[in-house]
Amino acid sequence: SQQGEEDPQALSIQEGENATMNCSYKTSINNLQWYRQNSGRGLVHLILIRSNEREKHSGRLRVTLDTSKKSSSLLITASRAADTASYFCATAGGTSYGKLTFGQGTILTVHP
Amino acid sequence: GAVVSQHPSRVICKSGTSVKIECRSLDFQATTMFWYRQFPKQSLMLMATSNEGSKATYEQGVEKDKFLINHASLTLSTLTVTSAHPEDSSFYICSALKTDRLNTGELFFGEGSRLTVL
Repeated sequence: SQQGEEDPQALSIQEGENATMNCSYKTSINNLQWYRQNSGRGLVHLILIRSNEREKHSGRLRVTLDTSKKSSSLLITASRAADTASYFCATAGGTSYGKLTFGQGTILTVHP
Repeated sequence: GAVVSQHPSRVICKSGTSVKIECRSLDFQATTMFWYRQFPKQSLMLMATSNEGSKATYEQGVEKDKFLINHASLTLSTLTVTSAHPEDSSFYICSALKTDRLNTGELFFGEGSRLTVL
């Protein structure tokens, strides 16, 4: 399976600023998910957007999906130092529900 | 939310030995679990799909004799790295699929197991 690409690979911002991360993928999908990973830890599921949805919100998170461009973006508003982590997009497609293909990830650093 | 537990969280072993990593779904039954591998500062790569009661499905390029997967019960899948070598050192993460009566699913990830082979 092919992995998606994320940009930027690394993002450094100040507390209170917004952080935007982008993800592109190559195959058709059923849904796209965003995960967070603190250094050396497991994954935390943030949000899932289905292929027939264009935008979704959850707290300070906003996700968009453009299936025509095969791309998605994750916006974190009013960032906090605790948001420092790696963020991955992951796509699910085909008949194997739960079999995810992960993007390369964005390392976000929020400076207090 | 549902909990998936991995054990051990860290393991150091000598080259040539075998290491077993467990992935347990603590409060739900999971007929399907997934094993991923993650090198430092890289993304997760799917290694195999673990199916309860049947053989695992391995991704292209993953040696099934090297990475033995057993899913003998609805709450436990194990990954055994056989004859480990330093290049097998990595972070191994499992996920378990929780399905409901409508057969829609939700994935839950373990905390990962860091393997260091000396």
